[in-house]
Amino acid sequence: DVKVTQSSRYLVKRTGEKVFLECVQDMDHENMFWYRQDPGLGLRLIYFSYDVKMKEKGDIPEGYSVSREKKERFSLILESASTNQTSMYLCASSLLSGYEQYFGPGTRLTVT
Amino acid sequence: AQKVTQAQTEISVVEKEDVTLDCVYETRDTTYYLFWYKQPPSGELVFLIRRNSFDEQNEISGRYSWNFQKSTSSFNFTITASQVVDSAVYFCALSVYSSASKIIFGSGTRLSIRP
Repeated sequence: DVKVTQSSRYLVKRTGEKVFLECVQDMDHENMFWYRQDPGLGLRLIYFSYDVKMKEKGDIPEGYSVSREKKERFSLILESASTNQTSMYLCASSLLSGYEQYFGPGTRLTVT
Repeated sequence: AQKVTQAQTEISVVEKEDVTLDCVYETRDTTYYLFWYKQPPSGELVFLIRRNSFDEQNEISGRYSWNFQKSTSSFNFTITASQVVDSAVYFCALSVYSSASKIIFGSGTRLSIRP
């Protein structure tokens, strides 16, 4: 079974803090993704990566950056957290483009 | 542009009833992939099925079945003899060959199964 793990289920941070969300997949997948999910707005793609050190902006990259130094790990960085970044963050991976994505359990981030 | 529409925001049925979740997609690509995901109250999205645009065969997996019709651009999902454990939000999604790294999700249908 594919396993995607995320570093925290719940996280509370203060405005202005730098926040790191970590995601690890154990199936040697090429692609990895970060989404945020908000009520009424569905899933929105923040960034994705199709190879180590490669990244592409999704639909809402503003205020976020990412890092993929190793194939199995994809990090989402909030350089200076703001209250409007309070959300559920979901990481996913897929073997190749066009294949299904497998999701982690999510991190519910609250910025106060 | 690609789009996925799940017109049913919420559905509530009594246990053991059959229920169909509708999904309509839009794309001009001839090669594309369709997906269904389940998101139970725990929050983790669970992959259910993937179909490519060249395979219109219907699929059955236990109580779940999927009807893919290119003529109507629909990929509907039916649960037969629903159970309380089927209560979840269900997402239909689309990925096109020309930008296949990205998946476009519908807005989801919240399904509640009452005992």
